[in-house]
Amino acid sequence: GNSVTQMEGPVTLSEEAFLTINCTYTATGYPSLFWYVQYPGEGLQLLLKATKADDKGSNKGFEATYRKETTSFHLEKGSVQVSDSAVYFCALSDNKLSFGAGTTVTVRA
Amino acid sequence: KAGVTQTPRYLIKTRGQQVTLSCSPISGHRSVSWYQQTPGQGLQFLFEYFSETQRNKGNFPGRFSGRQFSNSRSEMNVSTLELGDSALYLCASSLVAGGLGTGELFFGEGSRLTVL
Repeated sequence: GNSVTQMEGPVTLSEEAFLTINCTYTATGYPSLFWYVQYPGEGLQLLLKATKADDKGSNKGFEATYRKETTSFHLEKGSVQVSDSAVYFCALSDNKLSFGAGTTVTVRA
Repeated sequence: KAGVTQTPRYLIKTRGQQVTLSCSPISGHRSVSWYQQTPGQGLQFLFEYFSETQRNKGNFPGRFSGRQFSNSRSEMNVSTLELGDSALYLCASSLVAGGLGTGELFFGEGSRLTVL
């Protein structure tokens, strides 16, 4: 079946550092891909999405590009802030949303 | 506009008991999905309801059940609770059936169940 694999955490960074969280997927067809974020004590919220190959999703300084040739959708941010500390989930849409295991990111001041 | 509301936020039960969790979706949303979140298994899909019909179901035992009412509010029930049922149960609503179209789900803050 369709699935998502993302890099395990936790990831700890200093403020203004570069963040990359790897995500690869296995799917039949061409699913839509998503990054969701869960801030402490809150539910998940959509961060960005891409619906077809080569699409780039972006929001709040985060970016991810849908790469069909490498079946990847890596999340990047050039300069993180303490407020970016959260759990990040990669997900794909295949009649339901299937999530990766989540990556905990902690940004130190 | 009000977000997804889940009640109760926290609850403690003992093994063998049953529990009912409630979810009120965003106004106008007809799809409600339920997920179980645990540190070991991550986010696992339980089921989805759309217009009062179960549209999709994950790989959970029959002890886990749900329903949706005509106003789109949804409940999930877990009977004969086990220690391993301790988790954060998340509800999400969407305009269209989950995973189709935009695939954007709007999540509630969850109901944290502890089974002793």
